[in-house]
Amino acid sequence: DTGVSQDPRHKITKRGQNVTFRCDPISEHNRLYWYRQTLGQGPEFLTYFQNEAQLEKSRLLSDRFSAERPKGSFSTLEIQRTEQGDSAMYLCASSVTGDSTEAFFGQGTRLTVV
Amino acid sequence: DQQVKQNSPSLSVQEGRISILNCDYTNSMFDYFLWYKKYPAEGPTFLISISSIKDKNEDGRFTVFLNKSAKHLSLHIVPSQPGDSAVYFCAASADSNYQLIWGAGTKLIIKP
Repeated sequence: DTGVSQDPRHKITKRGQNVTFRCDPISEHNRLYWYRQTLGQGPEFLTYFQNEAQLEKSRLLSDRFSAERPKGSFSTLEIQRTEQGDSAMYLCASSVTGDSTEAFFGQGTRLTVV
Repeated sequence: DQQVKQNSPSLSVQEGRISILNCDYTNSMFDYFLWYKKYPAEGPTFLISISSIKDKNEDGRFTVFLNKSAKHLSLHIVPSQPGDSAVYFCAASADSNYQLIWGAGTKLIIKP
């Protein structure tokens, strides 16, 4: 399978704990995105990498959130001191550089903070 | 402020008929529009896109129409098939920006 893969698929954590998600993009894709989706809404942009450089962060990404993409391959999204409001589906997508913004999405990581 | 709006949370269509999903936007800087389809427990999958220099793009059973003056686009699926039952998201970007702004989605149900 050469699509975007995300791990884990589901995560239940207690409020205040730290969690880390991983995304493996399509191998030749140099752009990587993180989105968050809550029930009944469309995905909301969180952050974007061009290779290993994090070029943009949404205001939604508070200081408890950090994302990395070492070596421009896989990416991790860490949430520290989780809150119940962090419960959502976290989607990763990748694309190639170009005029098209067609991005390929992974299946997402569903986070539940209890 | 919702820049991309899908005002119909759900739509039910008979198999074989045409499905029309609508999307409105407010930001005149948007120049690229995409439709994604999402099945439960899966990530969104790209369906079809249109640049603002066009008013129509067709791919098999799927056609997207763009009316820039009305800031409105629609996705037509004909004929509708049971496998088309999914949530459809409209998304837009500005100036070839990487950041997509998404609507809330429309759940399409194809009745046999």
